[in-house]
Amino acid sequence: GAGVSQSPSNKVTEKGKDVELRCDPISGHTALYWYRQSLGQGLEFLIYFQGNSAPDKSGLPSDRFSAERTGGSVSTLTIQRTQQEDSAVYLCASSLLLSGELFFGEGSRLTVL
Amino acid sequence: KQEVTQIPAALSVPEGENLVLNCSFTDSAIYNLQWFRQDPGKGLTSLLLIQSSQREQTSGRLNASLDKSSGRSTLYIAASQPGDSATYLCAVNGGTSYGKLTFGQGTILTVHP
Repeated sequence: GAGVSQSPSNKVTEKGKDVELRCDPISGHTALYWYRQSLGQGLEFLIYFQGNSAPDKSGLPSDRFSAERTGGSVSTLTIQRTQQEDSAVYLCASSLLLSGELFFGEGSRLTVL
Repeated sequence: KQEVTQIPAALSVPEGENLVLNCSFTDSAIYNLQWFRQDPGKGLTSLLLIQSSQREQTSGRLNASLDKSSGRSTLYIAASQPGDSATYLCAVNGGTSYGKLTFGQGTILTVHP
């Protein structure tokens, strides 16, 4: 597609359940990023993937969070045993090269009840 | 640790005014700086990317400048329109956080007719 695509756009889940968020980056972009946006914290870096290199996971807040990128394209962010503080908008972005211009998707709004 | 500050936090102006939004950062060893706009409930739209070797970038009515040594960037919006109403975010990439953007808290701009 022309832009970064994320799904679902909205997800409501119960505390303790696992959720998966999907990101389809712009075709040909080698770098893919996940950020989280919440009212109290603003925009926080979570993880990035660059080509075949090991991902930089330094922003993941706990071991309940994980992400993978299959075939150098689509990425899935998984949150296990969700907590209420995980409620936020999860934004995916991609760029042609690492640290090039970032293009963001519309985000996935997660609400944990 | 890189910190990014945006001033003012909010701005309300009548249509037609020229505006300046400010962004400052604490670590001048940056790779680039990017300005985004975000409409309510939407993702981020890239406006301008300035590389560390550049002094300014222009796109239509927007002009962004960068003074790396003093840790400052400004976004100038000429002849503001109601459609410019949005949150404007500044993000810095570089130093020890290469590949990871550090965002300011944003400036909420309202342009009224």
